[in-house]
Amino acid sequence: ETGVTQSPTHLIKTRGQQVTLRCSSQSGHNTVSWYQQALGQGPQFIFQYYREEENGRGNFPPRFSGLQFPNYSSELNVNALELDDSALYLCASSLARQGGIGTEAFFGQGTRLTVV
Amino acid sequence: GENVEQHPSTLSVQEGDSAVIKCTYSDSASNYFPWYKQELGKRPQLIIDIRSNVGEKKDQRIAVTLNKTAKHFSLHITETQPEDSAVYFCAAISSGGYQKVTFGIGTKLQVIP
Repeated sequence: ETGVTQSPTHLIKTRGQQVTLRCSSQSGHNTVSWYQQALGQGPQFIFQYYREEENGRGNFPPRFSGLQFPNYSSELNVNALELDDSALYLCASSLARQGGIGTEAFFGQGTRLTVV
Repeated sequence: GENVEQHPSTLSVQEGDSAVIKCTYSDSASNYFPWYKQELGKRPQLIIDIRSNVGEKKDQRIAVTLNKTAKHFSLHITETQPEDSAVYFCAAISSGGYQKVTFGIGTKLQVIP
């Protein structure tokens, strides 16, 4: 098992509402990335946080936002939820070194979000 | 940006046979290539990875090869077992200003007993 944990595991929200998902990174890791995985699809990169700052973003609208805290845990916030936001949201933690070679990313178990 | 193509999207093999999944990437800056196995309803699990300074890596029944010139890498599973049935994702990672991960679309592997 990885040391990456996510909460909650399941969530049902109504269209238009806001949601906050949480991720605690593996000890020693400084980077958290968030992914959206629709049913039957591969994970799609939302954004990455490195040292408490957004450090890269995929093709997602501004209503997807996040935070990283000094202990490297992270939150994903989604405003004005839409039906298409229903998906498995995964976070992955890693140890990133600027300019260096990539390192392993370990995934949390995910949060299953259903928007009705 | 990076584009990772993965094929086949589905693969059925008889137990004991080999399975091969192939990926190509576009960004020459990518330097780390992990493979993940995702069972139904579970998180992706890292099963093997390869770095750009290595051409091949093996771990028991699983091996990965990398051809940097052609920008493709492959996962090989030998002596497949029913518990190998899952969705497998390749990924290409580059590190520059940040660690950028691009996944393939996944391959659903079914091992038939």
